[in-house]
Amino acid sequence: AQSVTQPDIHITVSEGASLELRCNYSYGATPYLFWYVQSPGQGLQLLLKYFSGDTLVQGIKGFEAEFKRSQSSFNLRKPSVHWSDAAEYFCAVGAGFNKFYFGSGTKLNVKP
Amino acid sequence: EAGVAQSPRYKIIEKRQSVAFWCNPISGHATLYWYQQILGQGPKLLIQFQNNGVVDDSQLPKDRFSAERLKGVDSTLKIQPAKLEDSAVYLCASSPSRGPRRGYEQYFGPGTRLTVT
Repeated sequence: AQSVTQPDIHITVSEGASLELRCNYSYGATPYLFWYVQSPGQGLQLLLKYFSGDTLVQGIKGFEAEFKRSQSSFNLRKPSVHWSDAAEYFCAVGAGFNKFYFGSGTKLNVKP
Repeated sequence: EAGVAQSPRYKIIEKRQSVAFWCNPISGHATLYWYQQILGQGPKLLIQFQNNGVVDDSQLPKDRFSAERLKGVDSTLKIQPAKLEDSAVYLCASSPSRGPRRGYEQYFGPGTRLTVT
């Protein structure tokens, strides 16, 4: 069965520091993988997606993610975090018929 | 381009009451989704429409939840009667296509936060 695990519920980083959010998935076929961001009171916004090809994917707002098939991972990274990046981040696997399976999310706090 | 609109933004009801949520997708988007997001969890798909037909409602609790999408545009999600465990944010999303890959191009509304007391 499809599942997505985000092992970190909360993460706090200092502004300007680097960031890595972890995501592991379970899916029987080649996965479609996504990262979304949700600010308080807002809907989800797509940061980046992976369908095939280059395993390092660039997204909006300076984010990138790397697909590692051997580790069943799709970790999100940003070299220098800004205070406006504070939000909740969701990793998702796309399965048949355009259905998403979301992880439980990681809340990011940014210290000034 | 206007985004996905939802109303109301917040709703508080007592258990056993009924409630309805409304969603207006992005103009021209054929596919519409309703998700339930319980606090501390990721969104879970409740129902997917393609135009005004249901594609997937396998996770919709049909004994109390219903949804419709008349004329293939706006959609309404109803809960009757509500239970405490229905407290959640209900997200609507729309997509321009249901095809491979493009079907995952989903645009989310701000959600309706439901509290059942």
